[in-house]
Amino acid sequence: GENVEQHPSTLSVQEGDSAVIKCTYSDSASNYFPWYKQELGKRPQLIIDIRSNVGEKKDQRIAVTLNKTAKHFSLHITETQPEDSAVYFCAAYGQNFVFGPGTRLSVLP
Amino acid sequence: EAGVAQSPRYKIIEKRQSVAFWCNPISGHATLYWYQQILGQGPKLLIQFQNNGVVDDSQLPKDRFSAERLKGVDSTLKIQPAKLEDSAVYLCASSLLNADTQYFGPGTRLTVL
Repeated sequence: GENVEQHPSTLSVQEGDSAVIKCTYSDSASNYFPWYKQELGKRPQLIIDIRSNVGEKKDQRIAVTLNKTAKHFSLHITETQPEDSAVYFCAAYGQNFVFGPGTRLSVLP
Repeated sequence: EAGVAQSPRYKIIEKRQSVAFWCNPISGHATLYWYQQILGQGPKLLIQFQNNGVVDDSQLPKDRFSAERLKGVDSTLKIQPAKLEDSAVYLCASSLLNADTQYFGPGTRLTVL
């Protein structure tokens, strides 16, 4: 079945810097790749997603890139703010949704 | 638009007891998912319904977990009997179709003593 790896597991950046989180997947049939933000004690919230027919997608300070050949996709957050601090999960959908283990992002003021 | 509703929000039981969780998806959403999220880990899909049919239940521990979505709307997830390792947050999510944007409910935090 699908396996999703995510790196790094923790990431600390200074406010205003950029943050990059990378995920790899194993199932070449996967075609939908969402990213979720989860604050402590809250539900996961979709922040951006990308489908396999697109290489990059951007929404204000957030962007996602997909490399189907290498089977990896990345989340880019620019001009980070303290409210970006949370756990971020990537996921891949082939036959079902498989989530990565998460990255704890801390934005230091 | 109302979101995904779940109840109860919290449940504490002793091992070997039974427990049931309820989920009401967003109106019109055909696909419903149940996830188990253990503290510090990503959500793990337990079962996926398309209307009232099961799409995937490969990671559902069927000796103790069961789920149903009889009328293609609400769903219940049951654990019988519970084990200590079942302590987790159980998240319900729904989407219009398969491989579509998922919207999560607030979750049920289960503690098994």
